[in-house]
Amino acid sequence: QVQLQESGPGLVKPSETLSLTCAVSGYSISSGYYWGWIRQPPGKGLEWIGSIYHSGSTYYNPSLKSRVTISVDTSKNQFSLKLSSVTAADTAVYYCARVAAAGTYYFDYWGQGTLVTVSS
Amino acid sequence: QSVLTQPPSVSAAPGQKVTISCSGSSSNIGNNYVSWYQQLPGTAPKLLIYDNNKRPSGIPDRFSGSKSGTSATLGITGLQTGDEADYYCGTWDSSLSAGGIFGGGTKLTVL
Repeated sequence: QVQLQESGPGLVKPSETLSLTCAVSGYSISSGYYWGWIRQPPGKGLEWIGSIYHSGSTYYNPSLKSRVTISVDTSKNQFSLKLSSVTAADTAVYYCARVAAAGTYYFDYWGQGTLVTVSS
Repeated sequence: QSVLTQPPSVSAAPGQKVTISCSGSSSNIGNNYVSWYQQLPGTAPKLLIYDNNKRPSGIPDRFSGSKSGTSATLGITGLQTGDEADYYCGTWDSSLSAGGIFGGGTKLTVL
């Protein structure tokens, strides 16, 4: 069974960089699929952040592209998110997910999510 | 404001049927597969439907999906109180601002 687990600081100061890691178990990242990040501000809907292939190929949300970096570490079977220059608007639950993207696009396995609050 | 438009809320009685619509454009729904997600309160979203109308293993056939042109629909029959949740549609947008997109979500209330 594929499992994903997010980890990282739950509190980040404004203007600093948010860093999260998603550990994958039950499936090797190198075997295929894209791997993505999605966020959900409190009481609001889902927002796609971006996704990465094990080769390092990435797609980012155009509205966040200037601040987002997604990377992959196949040796640790995990991938990471960095979001720079954060503001209160970046406060959200951040989810990592496996992405089926071969002629389609959907998220079939999700992590439980981690709340990141941006506040001084 | 989401690229994909969903009604904010729908409601129906237990045992009844409900449909949730998702409206987009030729750059997204019109030329790409649609997926649907169920988010129960306080939990992560769960894949319900992919490739317009396919159900992952373990999803009951009470849940169905369809697509026509630039719109998609999620249908739920035999409503149960446990179906009360937020439902999101999603797809890929192939425009200049390419990327994954979601609808704004629909809150289902089982009366």
